[in-house]
Amino acid sequence: ELKVEQNPLFLSMQEGKNYTIYCNYSTTSDRLYWYRQDPGKSLESLFVLLSNGAVKQEGRLMASLDTKARLSTLHITAAVHDLSATYFCAVVLPGAGSYQLTFGKGTKLSVIP
Amino acid sequence: DSGVTQTPKHLITATGQRVTLRCSPRSGDLSVYWYQQSLDQGLQFLIQYYNGEERAKGNILERFSAQQFPDLHSELNLSSLELGDSALYFCASSVGGTGWGQETQYFGPGTRLLVL
Repeated sequence: ELKVEQNPLFLSMQEGKNYTIYCNYSTTSDRLYWYRQDPGKSLESLFVLLSNGAVKQEGRLMASLDTKARLSTLHITAAVHDLSATYFCAVVLPGAGSYQLTFGKGTKLSVIP
Repeated sequence: DSGVTQTPKHLITATGQRVTLRCSPRSGDLSVYWYQQSLDQGLQFLIQYYNGEERAKGNILERFSAQQFPDLHSELNLSSLELGDSALYFCASSVGGTGWGQETQYFGPGTRLLVL
């Protein structure tokens, strides 16, 4: 059974600070996704990471993937209040012909002015 | 706006009842996915359809069923509802359904179900 663990689950940080969210998964997979969810809203795709060593950046967010360590990180640089949301990582369950996402529990980020 | 639409937005019903949730995928997407989000279980994959056929099944209860129609819209049917079925139900869609390359699942706004 594929397990995806995120930590921390809750993160309160001051504006301007840097921090990293970690996503560990239990089974080999070479595809990892990061999503953002605002309270009461839908999930918005942030990054698709497809290979070992993949790094993607969008604004103050940077995601990376280490398939050997089964670890992805989401790094936040100089946080601003608009980044407050819940961030999910998701991994594809290995198997031919399906695209079933297994999600972590999410990291609720609060950026305090 | 992802382009995926779901109706209704909110649904309040009683235990033992049956409801139908509807999803229209983005234009051109052949795959539809259903997910359940609850406080205790988190986000869980329920089922995937590709071009009208079931492609993958997750933690979907036997009381739940889904189908995808020729126009590619999908319906999730929930029957004999229990209090624990109260959750946010998301539909997502993608182009191909295998996740290869940069294929991404785009999520709809969700249907919030409350079972009283």
